[in-house]
Amino acid sequence: RKEVEQDPGPFNVPEGATVAFNCTYSNSASQSFFWYRQDCRKEPKLLMSVYSSGNEDGRFTAQLNRASQYISLLIRDSKLSDSATYLCVVRSNDYKLSFGAGTTVTVRA
Amino acid sequence: EPEVTQTPSHQVTQMGQEVILRCVPISNHLYFYWYRQILGQKVEFLVSFYNNEISEKSEIFDDQFSVERPDGSNFTLKIRSTKLEDSAMYFCASGVPGTGSKSSYEQYFGPGTRLTVT
Repeated sequence: RKEVEQDPGPFNVPEGATVAFNCTYSNSASQSFFWYRQDCRKEPKLLMSVYSSGNEDGRFTAQLNRASQYISLLIRDSKLSDSATYLCVVRSNDYKLSFGAGTTVTVRA
Repeated sequence: EPEVTQTPSHQVTQMGQEVILRCVPISNHLYFYWYRQILGQKVEFLVSFYNNEISEKSEIFDDQFSVERPDGSNFTLKIRSTKLEDSAMYFCASGVPGTGSKSSYEQYFGPGTRLTVT
């Protein structure tokens, strides 16, 4: 079983729409959770850490469900600039990060 | 805002040659990492480095690979004898793990070095 699994998408949404997707992780001992975004052939950029209580950063809301071992990301009022691949990332032990393969989001005008 | 830098941005080498990829982590960070991403695939962990020694490495990080922090600012990844399958984007990352802080495990990535082995 993969450490981190994501729906690859693509999610094609119009500007202003809400889009949500999630990922699952296999290691119940995982300790830290993140969403990164990656633009084509660029480095992963930290979007937000995900906390147990759920957290929001502007138009982005992340939720963590430890019992079911999934993490979600919701983007409200989508902008063209939100088009990217969103990487679900988990830290299980020590400090290495395990990445999902990414969910592609395309926002159209 | 401080950022991780990497050089070169693109390296082309012949199979069997040695390459050194260079990184300058964020100055107050204590942990350094190398990851790679083969085109079309996910980002994969290679190695973490702390206090001048490797703290963790993956199965990918075999004897052909080595890391070094030769001075107070640079962090390098050396591949001794490159293979075709080493062609990938190599990302350096740094972070400041600690305790008692929600953000203490975040890692920040450099722009990457695209390695092409021919």
